[in-house]
Amino acid sequence: KAGVTQTPRYLIKTRGQQVTLSCSPISGHRSVSWYQQTPGQGLQFLFEYFSETQRNKGNFPGRFSGRQFSNSRSEMNVSTLELGDSALYLCASSSNSGKGNTIYFGEGSWLTVV
Amino acid sequence: QQQVKQSPQSLIVQKGGISIINCAYENTAFDYFPWYQQFPGKGPALLIAIRPDVSEKKEGRFTISFNKSAKQFSLHIMDSQPGDSATYFCAATGSARQLTFGSGTQLTVLP
Repeated sequence: KAGVTQTPRYLIKTRGQQVTLSCSPISGHRSVSWYQQTPGQGLQFLFEYFSETQRNKGNFPGRFSGRQFSNSRSEMNVSTLELGDSALYLCASSSNSGKGNTIYFGEGSWLTVV
Repeated sequence: QQQVKQSPQSLIVQKGGISIINCAYENTAFDYFPWYQQFPGKGPALLIAIRPDVSEKKEGRFTISFNKSAKQFSLHIMDSQPGDSATYFCAATGSARQLTFGSGTQLTVLP
């Protein structure tokens, strides 16, 4: 069974640009969540989607957005990039809507903003 | 409060020794406590997880001890190996289905 797949793995963007990251969850998983990992702030929750609906959102500015498609694949977008957005962006999936279900992470997308 | 406090920040252990990482939480609504292992350049990988209805869970060399009244839980790695050298994160989640992570512990196991 394939794991959580994220693309691209590495990318470099310029301040002010926007970026879209993609995530394919584990087959059969309907919940997809996104996390930002930085050395200073650690792992922080961005948002979670289930059946194309955003169910929960972390404390990030509106420049961070996401969506989920009918096949459970998800994208996140960051507009008007800032240097501080440089981070590892992690996608995670879990099997259903129940609480406490195992959450599996992808390898992440490394974003560098210059 | 949503915080999960993790200690120590770094840990050096001799091969064959026991590694112990501690976490404390504040939100009593948390009901699922996983531990993740992360190698450089990789995403976090689930190691072991526990729910508050049990006080201990063991999987191979990894054991979680859970103290509900103290709102603390810890990871014990028995017979630590150099291949265990990684960053370990505790986490907690509840009905919000979002993981709240500790700050991480960088474990180094010396050969």
